[in-house]
Amino acid sequence: KAGVTQTPRYLIKTRGQQVTLSCSPISGHRSVSWYQQTPGQGLQFLFEYFSETQRNKGNFPGRFSGRQFSNSRSEMNVSTLELGDSALYLCASSLAGADYNSPLHFGNGTRLTVT
Amino acid sequence: QKEVEQDPGPLSVPEGAIVSLNCTYSNSAFQYFMWYRQYSRKGPELLMYTYSSGNKEDGRFTAQVDKSSKYISLFIRDSQPSDSATYLCAMSGVRYGGSQGNLIFGKGTKLSVKP
Repeated sequence: KAGVTQTPRYLIKTRGQQVTLSCSPISGHRSVSWYQQTPGQGLQFLFEYFSETQRNKGNFPGRFSGRQFSNSRSEMNVSTLELGDSALYLCASSLAGADYNSPLHFGNGTRLTVT
Repeated sequence: QKEVEQDPGPLSVPEGAIVSLNCTYSNSAFQYFMWYRQYSRKGPELLMYTYSSGNKEDGRFTAQVDKSSKYISLFIRDSQPSDSATYLCAMSGVRYGGSQGNLIFGKGTKLSVKP
Protein backbone atom coordinates (compact mmCIF):
# COMPACT_ATOMS: atom_id res chain seq x y z
CA LYS A 1 0.00 0.00 0.00
CA ALA A 2 1.44 3.38 -0.93
CA GLY A 3 2.30 5.73 1.91
CA VAL A 4 1.51 9.40 2.34
CA THR A 5 2.76 11.32 -0.68
CA GLN A 6 3.76 14.96 -0.51
CA THR A 7 4.66 17.22 -3.40
CA PRO A 8 6.88 18.96 -4.11
CA ARG A 9 9.77 17.66 -1.98
CA TYR A 10 11.69 20.93 -2.12
CA LEU A 11 10.60 24.49 -2.70
CA ILE A 12 12.41 27.83 -2.68
CA LYS A 13 10.33 30.98 -2.47
CA THR A 14 10.90 34.68 -1.88
CA ARG A 15 9.49 36.71 1.00
CA GLY A 16 6.02 37.98 0.24
CA GLN A 17 5.15 35.19 -2.18
CA GLN A 18 2.61 32.50 -1.51
CA VAL A 19 2.99 28.73 -1.74
CA THR A 20 0.72 25.69 -2.02
CA LEU A 21 1.76 22.26 -0.81
CA SER A 22 -0.02 19.04 -1.71
CA CYS A 23 -0.65 15.82 0.19
CA SER A 24 -2.16 12.49 -0.89
CA PRO A 25 -3.08 10.33 2.12
CA ILE A 26 -2.84 6.56 2.40
CA SER A 27 -5.69 4.93 0.52
CA GLY A 28 -8.71 4.67 2.79
CA HIS A 29 -7.50 7.27 5.26
CA ARG A 30 -9.98 10.06 5.76
CA SER A 31 -8.13 12.35 8.15
CA VAL A 32 -5.23 14.55 7.11
CA SER A 33 -3.13 16.65 9.47
CA TRP A 34 -0.37 19.13 8.75
CA TYR A 35 2.68 19.89 10.87
CA GLN A 36 5.56 22.32 10.70
CA GLN A 37 8.98 21.03 11.80
CA THR A 38 11.85 23.37 12.65
CA PRO A 39 15.08 22.75 14.59
CA GLY A 40 14.05 25.23 17.29
CA GLN A 41 10.40 24.36 17.82
CA GLY A 42 10.26 20.76 16.69
CA LEU A 43 6.99 19.45 15.30
CA GLN A 44 4.05 21.80 15.68
CA PHE A 45 0.47 21.09 14.69
CA LEU A 46 -1.01 23.31 12.00
CA PHE A 47 -4.47 21.87 11.31
CA GLU A 48 -6.49 18.72 10.74
CA TYR A 49 -9.12 17.91 8.15
CA PHE A 50 -11.71 15.16 8.14
CA SER A 51 -14.37 14.73 5.46
CA GLU A 52 -13.44 18.06 3.91
CA THR A 53 -13.96 19.92 7.18
CA GLN A 54 -11.31 21.49 9.35
CA ARG A 55 -11.84 20.05 12.80
CA ASN A 56 -8.90 21.53 14.66
CA LYS A 57 -6.36 24.26 14.17
CA GLY A 58 -3.05 24.97 15.86
CA ASN A 59 -1.67 28.29 16.98
CA PHE A 60 -0.50 29.67 13.64
CA PRO A 61 -1.43 32.96 11.96
CA GLY A 62 -4.20 33.17 9.37
CA ARG A 63 -1.59 33.20 6.58
CA PHE A 64 -1.58 29.42 6.98
CA SER A 65 -4.65 27.76 5.53
CA GLY A 66 -5.64 24.42 4.14
CA ARG A 67 -8.38 22.42 2.55
CA GLN A 68 -9.36 18.83 1.87
CA PHE A 69 -11.01 17.47 -1.23
CA SER A 70 -13.67 14.79 -1.55
CA ASN A 71 -11.00 12.16 -2.34
CA SER A 72 -9.26 13.05 0.98
CA ARG A 73 -6.31 14.71 -0.75
CA SER A 74 -5.29 17.91 0.98
CA GLU A 75 -3.48 21.14 0.24
CA MET A 76 -2.05 23.76 2.51
CA ASN A 77 -1.34 27.33 1.52
CA VAL A 78 0.93 29.91 3.07
CA SER A 79 0.46 33.48 1.92
CA THR A 80 2.82 36.44 2.30
CA LEU A 81 5.78 34.23 3.13
CA GLU A 82 8.20 35.27 5.86
CA LEU A 83 11.75 34.09 6.45
CA GLY A 84 10.55 32.29 9.59
CA ASP A 85 8.27 30.09 7.49
CA SER A 86 11.31 28.14 6.29
CA ALA A 87 10.70 24.64 7.60
CA LEU A 88 9.85 21.06 6.79
CA TYR A 89 6.09 20.78 6.30
CA LEU A 90 4.76 17.34 7.08
CA CYS A 91 1.44 15.82 6.19
CA ALA A 92 0.04 12.86 8.10
CA SER A 93 -3.01 10.72 7.52
CA SER A 94 -5.04 8.34 9.65
CA LEU A 95 -8.13 6.18 9.47
CA ALA A 96 -9.61 8.36 12.20
CA GLY A 97 -13.36 8.15 12.31
CA ALA A 98 -15.96 9.54 14.62
CA ASP A 99 -15.71 6.82 17.24
CA TYR A 100 -12.18 5.50 17.36
CA ASN A 101 -8.61 6.60 17.52
CA SER A 102 -5.90 5.57 15.08
CA PRO A 103 -2.25 6.59 14.76
CA LEU A 104 -0.88 9.12 12.30
CA HIS A 105 1.31 8.06 9.39
CA PHE A 106 3.58 10.77 8.00
CA GLY A 107 4.85 11.61 4.55
CA ASN A 108 8.44 12.67 3.89
CA GLY A 109 7.53 16.33 3.87
CA THR A 110 8.08 19.39 1.73
CA ARG A 111 11.22 21.37 2.55
CA LEU A 112 10.32 25.05 2.11
CA THR A 113 13.07 27.66 2.03
CA VAL A 114 12.11 31.32 2.05
CA THR A 115 14.78 33.79 0.93
CA GLN B 1 6.98 24.10 31.64
CA LYS B 2 6.66 22.43 28.27
CA GLU B 3 3.91 19.85 27.89
CA VAL B 4 6.35 17.17 26.75
CA GLU B 5 10.04 17.06 27.69
CA GLN B 6 12.56 14.90 25.90
CA ASP B 7 16.34 14.89 26.25
CA PRO B 8 17.72 15.89 22.83
CA GLY B 9 20.94 13.93 23.28
CA PRO B 10 22.87 13.16 21.21
CA LEU B 11 23.11 9.63 22.52
CA SER B 12 25.90 7.42 21.22
CA VAL B 13 26.01 3.69 21.98
CA PRO B 14 27.97 0.68 20.67
CA GLU B 15 26.24 -1.87 18.48
CA GLY B 16 24.37 -4.46 20.52
CA ALA B 17 23.69 -2.15 23.47
CA ILE B 18 20.30 -1.67 25.08
CA VAL B 19 19.04 1.84 24.48
CA SER B 20 16.63 3.64 26.77
CA LEU B 21 14.80 6.74 25.53
CA ASN B 22 12.43 8.71 27.74
CA CYS B 23 9.87 11.49 27.81
CA THR B 24 8.06 13.19 30.64
CA TYR B 25 4.83 15.10 30.30
CA SER B 26 2.70 17.39 32.38
CA ASN B 27 -0.84 16.96 31.03
CA SER B 28 -2.64 14.12 32.79
CA ALA B 29 -5.29 14.12 30.02
CA PHE B 30 -2.92 12.39 27.60
CA GLN B 31 -4.12 8.86 26.86
CA TYR B 32 -2.40 7.81 23.64
CA PHE B 33 1.36 7.54 23.48
CA MET B 34 3.50 7.05 20.41
CA TRP B 35 7.11 6.71 19.42
CA TYR B 36 8.26 7.78 15.99
CA ARG B 37 11.64 7.30 14.33
CA GLN B 38 12.87 9.91 11.90
CA TYR B 39 15.81 9.40 9.58
CA SER B 40 17.56 12.37 8.03
CA ARG B 41 15.54 13.95 5.20
CA LYS B 42 12.59 11.66 5.89
CA GLY B 43 9.26 11.98 7.67
CA PRO B 44 8.59 10.42 11.09
CA GLU B 45 7.86 6.69 10.95
CA LEU B 46 5.52 5.18 13.54
CA LEU B 47 7.27 2.63 15.77
CA MET B 48 4.97 2.07 18.72
CA TYR B 49 1.43 3.10 19.61
CA THR B 50 0.04 2.48 23.09
CA TYR B 51 -3.05 3.42 25.01
CA SER B 52 -2.95 4.31 28.71
CA SER B 53 -0.44 2.63 31.04
CA GLY B 54 1.48 -0.58 30.57
CA ASN B 55 4.04 -2.21 28.31
CA LYS B 56 3.98 -3.10 24.64
CA GLU B 57 6.60 -5.13 22.85
CA ASP B 58 7.33 -5.38 19.13
CA GLY B 59 10.47 -7.23 18.14
CA ARG B 60 13.48 -5.42 19.57
CA PHE B 61 11.33 -2.50 20.74
CA THR B 62 9.47 -2.15 24.04
CA ALA B 63 7.35 0.84 24.97
CA GLN B 64 6.41 1.56 28.57
CA VAL B 65 3.89 4.06 29.86
CA ASP B 66 3.65 5.07 33.52
CA LYS B 67 0.75 7.48 33.79
CA SER B 68 1.13 7.88 37.54
CA SER B 69 4.62 9.31 37.01
CA LYS B 70 3.77 10.93 33.65
CA TYR B 71 6.73 9.12 32.13
CA ILE B 72 7.10 7.07 28.97
CA SER B 73 10.04 5.03 27.73
CA LEU B 74 11.20 3.25 24.62
CA PHE B 75 13.75 0.44 24.94
CA ILE B 76 15.71 -0.86 21.97
CA ARG B 77 17.43 -4.22 22.47
CA ASP B 78 20.43 -5.39 20.47
CA SER B 79 20.77 -1.96 18.86
CA GLN B 80 21.99 -1.82 15.26
CA PRO B 81 23.68 0.93 13.23
CA SER B 82 20.45 1.10 11.21
CA ASP B 83 18.71 2.31 14.40
CA SER B 84 20.69 5.55 14.18
CA ALA B 85 18.01 8.22 13.84
CA THR B 86 16.07 10.78 15.83
CA TYR B 87 13.39 9.30 18.08
CA LEU B 88 10.32 11.38 18.81
CA CYS B 89 7.75 10.74 21.49
CA ALA B 90 4.22 11.99 20.86
CA MET B 91 0.98 11.94 22.75
CA SER B 92 -2.65 12.97 22.51
CA GLY B 93 -5.58 13.30 24.82
CA VAL B 94 -8.53 12.60 22.59
CA ARG B 95 -10.67 9.78 23.85
CA TYR B 96 -13.19 9.39 21.05
CA GLY B 97 -12.59 10.67 17.55
CA GLY B 98 -12.67 14.43 17.47
CA SER B 99 -9.36 16.01 16.77
CA GLN B 100 -7.16 12.97 16.74
CA GLY B 101 -4.64 14.58 14.44
CA ASN B 102 -3.34 16.96 17.06
CA LEU B 103 -0.32 15.27 18.59
CA ILE B 104 2.04 16.92 21.04
CA PHE B 105 5.61 15.96 20.24
CA GLY B 106 8.82 15.94 22.20
CA LYS B 107 11.78 17.63 20.53
CA GLY B 108 13.38 14.26 19.74
CA THR B 109 16.50 12.39 20.86
CA LYS B 110 19.24 11.85 18.30
CA LEU B 111 20.65 8.33 18.59
CA SER B 112 23.85 7.07 17.03
CA VAL B 113 24.71 3.34 17.14
CA LYS B 114 28.37 2.74 16.39
CA PRO B 115 29.48 -0.52 14.71
